[in-house]
Order: sequence, then structure tokens, then C-alpha cells
Amino acid sequence: AQKVTQAQTEISVVEKEDVTLDCVYETRDTTYYLFWYKQPPSGELVFLIRRNSFDEQNEISGRYSWNFQKSTSSFNFTITASQVVDSAVYFCALSEITQGGSEKLVFGKGTKLTVNP
Amino acid sequence: DARVTQTPRHKVTEMGQEVTMRCQPILGHNTVFWYRQTMMQGLELLAYFRNRAPLDDSGMPKDRFSAEMPDATLATLKIQPSEPRDSAVYFCASGLAIGLADTQYFGPGTRLTVL
Repeated sequence: AQKVTQAQTEISVVEKEDVTLDCVYETRDTTYYLFWYKQPPSGELVFLIRRNSFDEQNEISGRYSWNFQKSTSSFNFTITASQVVDSAVYFCALSEITQGGSEKLVFGKGTKLTVNP
Repeated sequence: DARVTQTPRHKVTEMGQEVTMRCQPILGHNTVFWYRQTMMQGLELLAYFRNRAPLDDSGMPKDRFSAEMPDATLATLKIQPSEPRDSAVYFCASGLAIGLADTQYFGPGTRLTVL
């Protein structure tokens, strides 16, 4: 079965520091998708990025960047020059196609990031 | 800015009562997912619909939970009778299934407390 491990339960940094959130996944599928979601204190889940297994190029979006390495089954997320508004729980997720042909996201347990002023 | 909407946002009820949660997917999306989030279990899929047809409800306790899509703009999740262990945040998500693993956009969630 698919599995996503986010080993860091909580991280605390000071504003303007860079921070990397780790994500390691397990899958037997050759085609799969990886996602990151942000859950701020307000509670909603905000989509950040989707990456398919054939695209190992790193992605950068403003202060956010993602490092996908198939060789180590990792999809790490880096926030550069962190800000207080980045404080949230961040979830890494892996797509799973079930036997019935449906799909679901398998989520990691999340990493709670606190950025202090 | 299209969003998934969920009602109610908060619900407090007593054990044994019926609870109905509603979700309006993003217009044009053809997949709907119901997830439950608890501290202990994290985020778990309860049910999945594609083109209004239920494709997977294996994550749902069948004896008390039911999920339906009466039309393309409304999905419902019902618990009857509710129990304290059902206390959780219930999220609805929608997506547009084109290929594998469409991106799922989540609603704000319904925080359910069963006393």
C-alpha cells in the first residue's frame, strides 16, 4: 500500500530563515502524483503543488521550491526567507488508484511549521 | 475565484442524533471526495464520487454513514446515529478527472462535535 512519511512533526524557525519540510513516500506504481497542501490555523486545506512521477525537475514558485528525487523517493519542500504567514501545517500526499478504479490521496501526518517574528 | 463550499461550518450535536453535512463542488468538477481529519488518524478518505456515481466508500462505516450526490451541485454526508467517536473535521474536495489523479480542491470543512 501507499505510504507517506513526514518525519518532522513540528518545526520552529525565526522569520527570514529558510526551512525544508521532508516527505518520503512508498509506492509500487510506476505512474503516480505527489502533492503538497497547506493547512493554516483557519483550518482549510490549500493546494500548493502537484508533481507527476515522470517530471523530476525542481519547481520554484516565489519563496517556495520543491525537490523531487525519485531515487530516494522524496519530495521535499523548502520555504526561503520564511514569514509569519507561513505558519501552518503542511501535508505531503501521494495519489493512489484503488482496485475499483477510483483514486484517493494518501496523506502524511503533516509537519507543523511555526515561524516566529 | 471558484471554491468548494461546505455547510455547516460547525455542528455540535448529541449522541444518537442525525447529522447531515453538505458540499457544493466547484462548478464543472466531476469528482467529489469526502475526507475525515482527526488528531489520531490524520486525513482519511471516506467516499469518492465520479460523475455523481459512488466509486469508493470503503473508508466509511457502512452501518451509520451514507454519502450521496442528488445532483451535480450537491453532495451530502449523513451520520445516523452519531457517536462521540465521529467527532472530527469533515472535508469535501472536488476535482476534474481528466487523467490520473486530478488535483483535489478542498472546502473549509465541517467541524463536528458529538457529545
